[in-house]
Amino acid sequence: GENVEQHPSTLSVQEGDSAVIKCTYSDSASNYFPWYKQELGKGPQLIIDIRSNVGEKKDQRIAVTLNKTAKHFSLHITETQPEDSAVYFCAALRGYQLTFGKGTKLSVIP
Amino acid sequence: KAGVTQTPRYLIKTRGQQVTLSCSPISGHRSVSWYQQTPGQGLQFLFEYFSETQRNKGNFPGRFSGRQFSNSRSEMNVSTLELGDSALYLCASSTGRSQETQYFGPGTRLLVL
Repeated sequence: GENVEQHPSTLSVQEGDSAVIKCTYSDSASNYFPWYKQELGKGPQLIIDIRSNVGEKKDQRIAVTLNKTAKHFSLHITETQPEDSAVYFCAALRGYQLTFGKGTKLSVIP
Repeated sequence: KAGVTQTPRYLIKTRGQQVTLSCSPISGHRSVSWYQQTPGQGLQFLFEYFSETQRNKGNFPGRFSGRQFSNSRSEMNVSTLELGDSALYLCASSTGRSQETQYFGPGTRLLVL
C-alpha cells in the first residue's frame, strides 16, 4: 500500500520567517495531495491541496509544490504568524483512500 | 453549508463493551470515510462508504465495522473494546468523485478503561 513520510516532526520558527514541511510518497498511482492543519481539540482542516497534473499551487501565504518524478511534495508557509502554530499533516490519495504522514508540529515564536 | 458533525464528542467505555459512533456528512456528500487517530500511529484509515456500500477498507480487525444509510449518514461500531482502541475517531465526507477533497468532522474522543 501507500506509504507517506513527513519531515520534520517538529519545527520552530520566529514570527515572520518561512516554514517548509516535506513529504514523500511511495505509490505512483497516488494522484491527489492535500495538506491539513489540526489545532488542539479539533479535526483536521484542509488548508491547500494539489492534483497530480499540477506542479505548484499558491494561496496567499501558503504554497505547495509537487515533484511527481521524485514522488515528493512540500508545504511552504511564508510570513508565519502565531496563529499558524498547529500540527500539519500531508496526505496522498490513491483511489478513495487517504494515507497520512505522521505530522509536523509547527511552533511560531512571537 | 453546515460542516461534518460527529456524535458523541466524548465517550468513556470499559473493556469488552461495544460502542457506536455517528457521523453526518456535509449536505450533498455521498462518501464518508472513518479514521483512527492515536499519538503513536497517527491517522489511520478504517473504511470508506459510498452510496451505502463499503468501497474501501483499511487494515483493522473485524471488531471495527460500519454502515451508511440512505441519507449518507454513517455509523461506526467497535465491539469487544480493548484498551488500545482509545483514540480520536474522525470521519470525513466528500462528494465521492475521484481526487475530491475530504472534509473532516471534529472527532469523537473514545477512552477505554
